[in-house]
Amino acid sequence: GAVVSQHPSRVICKSGTSVKIECRSLDFQATTMFWYRQFPKQSLMLMATSNEGSKATYEQGVEKDKFLINHASLTLSTLTVTSAHPEDSSFYICSARRTSGITDTQYFGPGTRLTVL
Amino acid sequence: SQQGEEDPQALSIQEGENATMNCSYKTSINNLQWYRQNSGRGLVHLILIRSNEREKHSGRLRVTLDTSKKSSSLLITASRAADTASYFCATDARSGNTGKLIFGQGTTLQVKP
Repeated sequence: GAVVSQHPSRVICKSGTSVKIECRSLDFQATTMFWYRQFPKQSLMLMATSNEGSKATYEQGVEKDKFLINHASLTLSTLTVTSAHPEDSSFYICSARRTSGITDTQYFGPGTRLTVL
Repeated sequence: SQQGEEDPQALSIQEGENATMNCSYKTSINNLQWYRQNSGRGLVHLILIRSNEREKHSGRLRVTLDTSKKSSSLLITASRAADTASYFCATDARSGNTGKLIFGQGTTLQVKP
């Protein structure tokens, strides 16, 4: 199956710093990627839809100035958590959408564990 | 975003028993998918059932879909300790072609050896 990678897998940062997380589709091109956040013992919450070559679409309640998304190529989307605070500590998961004919499948990355001290 | 409900929230069974998890959702869908997540790890796609399908099998997994009740169930037969994980359903809303997935709250399954 298709592979999606995330980097880094784990990051610890100080409060007030910015952290960038990369999501790559390794063997297919993805015009659309998605970013999710998952708090401990909770489900995945969609944060935003990342569109190649255009602005991301954010879900209600997600601050676009805090969670900057850049989808500069067909295989890479980045999520930057700006001025991170302890409440931003979470598991961030991306997915890449692969459309082929009538098939429309999302492939998930392994996730990035962010801890803000 | 609207999230579906899953029940039970937690399920503990003995190895060899069957495990049934249920999922309800709110909107019309194109398809419904089930995922597994081991603790602290990414998602593993298990099975997809389309809105015009009622039942689907994959190995020890059996999924049903009742669009009139907006509900689905996942049955794992002859469970193994390695099946211990969280299980999530996810729906792909029919309106628009956004590709967005809305996840249920999940069921945490523990299979005791």
